[in-house]
Amino acid sequence: AQTVTQSQPEMSVQEAETVTLSCTYDTSESDYYLFWYKQPPSRQMILVIRQEAYKQQNATENRFSVNFQKAAKSFSLKISDSQLGDAAMYFCAYRTPNAGGTSYGKLTFGQGTILTVHP
Amino acid sequence: DAGVTQSPTHLIKTRGQHVTLRCSPISGHKSVSWYQQVLGQGPQFIFQYYEKEERGRGNFPDRFSARQFPNYSSELNVNALLLGDSALYLCASSFRELRGETQYFGPGTRLLVL
Repeated sequence: AQTVTQSQPEMSVQEAETVTLSCTYDTSESDYYLFWYKQPPSRQMILVIRQEAYKQQNATENRFSVNFQKAAKSFSLKISDSQLGDAAMYFCAYRTPNAGGTSYGKLTFGQGTILTVHP
Repeated sequence: DAGVTQSPTHLIKTRGQHVTLRCSPISGHKSVSWYQQVLGQGPQFIFQYYEKEERGRGNFPDRFSARQFPNYSSELNVNALLLGDSALYLCASSFRELRGETQYFGPGTRLLVL
């Protein structure tokens, strides 16, 4: 079974600085998708960034970028120029391509990392 | 455009009761997934529906059931509620069920079982 591990329960960063959130996963699949979601205190889960495993190039979205190391099964999120609005719980998630079975459409989430941004 | 909507936002029930949670996907989206998020943990997959058919099921007891309607909205039903069912229930929608298609989440329904 696929598992996702976020080893940092909490992280903090100063406004305008850079922070990296860690995520590792375990899978025997070669084709899959990885996501970072942000969940602010309002509870709405928001997509931050996604990465296709078959793409070697790391995904970027404005101030957010990932370091995808497929061999190491590592998928870290880097937030540059941190802003107060970045404070939230961040979840790493894994998804296999739809191949039938009971896992169809399933996202597997890590335990989350609480990010605090200090002014 | 409206995002995924869920109702009610909060709900209090007692043990043994039944509850129905509702979800309306983003307009044009045909797939709906349900997740349970216990406080302090990541969401756990419960069900996925696409074109009104169950396409995926997580490791939850038969007390949990769901359905999808012709307009692609969905209901999650939980029977014989237990204290451990207290959680945030999240609904997510996607356009179809293509490989790795992104799921967009609603604000959730907070269920408290007393």
